[in-house]
Amino acid sequence: KAGVTQTPRYLIKTRGQQVTLSCSPISGHRSVSWYQQTPGQGLQFLFEYFSETQRNKGNFPGRFSGRQFSNSRSEMNVSTLELGDSALYLCASSPQGAPAEAFFGQGTRLTVV
Amino acid sequence: AQKITQTQPGMFVQEKEAVTLDCTYDTSDQSYGLFWYKQPSSGEMIFLIYQGSYDEQNATEGRYSLNFQKARKSANLVISASQLGDSAMYFCAMRERRGGAGSYQLTFGKGTKLSVIP
Repeated sequence: KAGVTQTPRYLIKTRGQQVTLSCSPISGHRSVSWYQQTPGQGLQFLFEYFSETQRNKGNFPGRFSGRQFSNSRSEMNVSTLELGDSALYLCASSPQGAPAEAFFGQGTRLTVV
Repeated sequence: AQKITQTQPGMFVQEKEAVTLDCTYDTSDQSYGLFWYKQPSSGEMIFLIYQGSYDEQNATEGRYSLNFQKARKSANLVISASQLGDSAMYFCAMRERRGGAGSYQLTFGKGTKLSVIP
């Protein structure tokens, strides 16, 4: 059974640009959550999607957005990039009705210059 | 106030010895879950062990066990027979219901960096 796949693994972008990150959950998992990890703030929840609907959103500005497709794959988008957006972005997938499971991908390391 | 507190920024342990990583949590929910993850330098968060708030037995997964003391709100991770490959960051996380129906959110501690010495 394949794990959670995040692409790309590494990205370098310039301030002001936008970026899209992708996450393919474990087959059969319909919940996808996104987290941002920085040395200063640690791991912070961005948002959670289930059946193409955003069910929960963390305390991030509107520049951070996401969506989920019918095959449960999810994308997150960050517009007007700032230096402070440099971080490791992690995606987690969970099956419905089994919140004892939350498996993460390898993450996308975004560097904004 | 921090919801998950890991008081040990760094720990050293001799190979083959056991080590305990501390985690305390704060919640007013009756139903919640506690996770431990390992994060090597590659960045991937590797699931280690889970404990539900209603589970009466302490969770165990191979060399990992979770010492769950509900009244004290602590969920310490015990790694037995440490190996060099155990050197990594370890995060404690709490799952709580938040947002829309059926939605859960993980809140993480700051982590503990474990170094295993040969």
